[in-house]
Amino acid sequence: DAGVTQTPRHEVAEKGQTIILKCEPVSGHNDLFWYRQTKIQGLELLSYFRSKSLMEDGGAFKDRFKAEMLNSSFSTLKIQPTEPKDSAVYLCASSPGQGNSDYTFGSGTRLLVI
Amino acid sequence: AQKVTQTQTSISVMEKTTVTMDCVYETQDSSYFLFWYKQTASGEIVFLIRQDSYKKENATVGHYSLNFQKPKSSIGLIITATQIEDSAVYFCAMREGHASSGSWQLIFGSGTQLTVMP
Repeated sequence: DAGVTQTPRHEVAEKGQTIILKCEPVSGHNDLFWYRQTKIQGLELLSYFRSKSLMEDGGAFKDRFKAEMLNSSFSTLKIQPTEPKDSAVYLCASSPGQGNSDYTFGSGTRLLVI
Repeated sequence: AQKVTQTQTSISVMEKTTVTMDCVYETQDSSYFLFWYKQTASGEIVFLIRQDSYKKENATVGHYSLNFQKPKSSIGLIITATQIEDSAVYFCAMREGHASSGSWQLIFGSGTQLTVMP
């Protein structure tokens, strides 16, 4: 079975650039999540989609972060404009969408903003 | 509000011993689900084991088991016969049982780094 696919694996951006991260969830999963992981803050929820509808947009990340789910098998996370503090690992996860369902995580995109 | 706390930042054990990692949670809900995940050095995060709040029996999967103490809001992860490859960061997570505002997100703890030494 295909898991969650994230591209690219690594991204280097200059401050002020726009970057787009991509995610393909597990086929048939209804829920899709974007997380940011840093050593200091741990795992922080950026966005949550259920059946392509945006359910949560991670309040603190609203201004420069925008996640979209164009169809049930593809999502993007745009950061515009990037800042050095955005350097982190960005993780996408999907889930069947039931209370006892676990997540399947992608391998993540490691972003470095210089 | 939901909260998950892992107070142990790191643990080191000798190979083939048993280790317990602690996790406490806060929830107003009577129904909830508790999860443990493992993140390897490569960054991969994988699901290990789940406990449903309404079940009294502790969940067991392979050499992972849980110590669920509901009155203490505690869900410890026990790894028996540890192996070098168990070295990783372990995350505890919780999801409440009702989809308030349609939210099914997991709330994660900060993680515990486990090092298994030969």
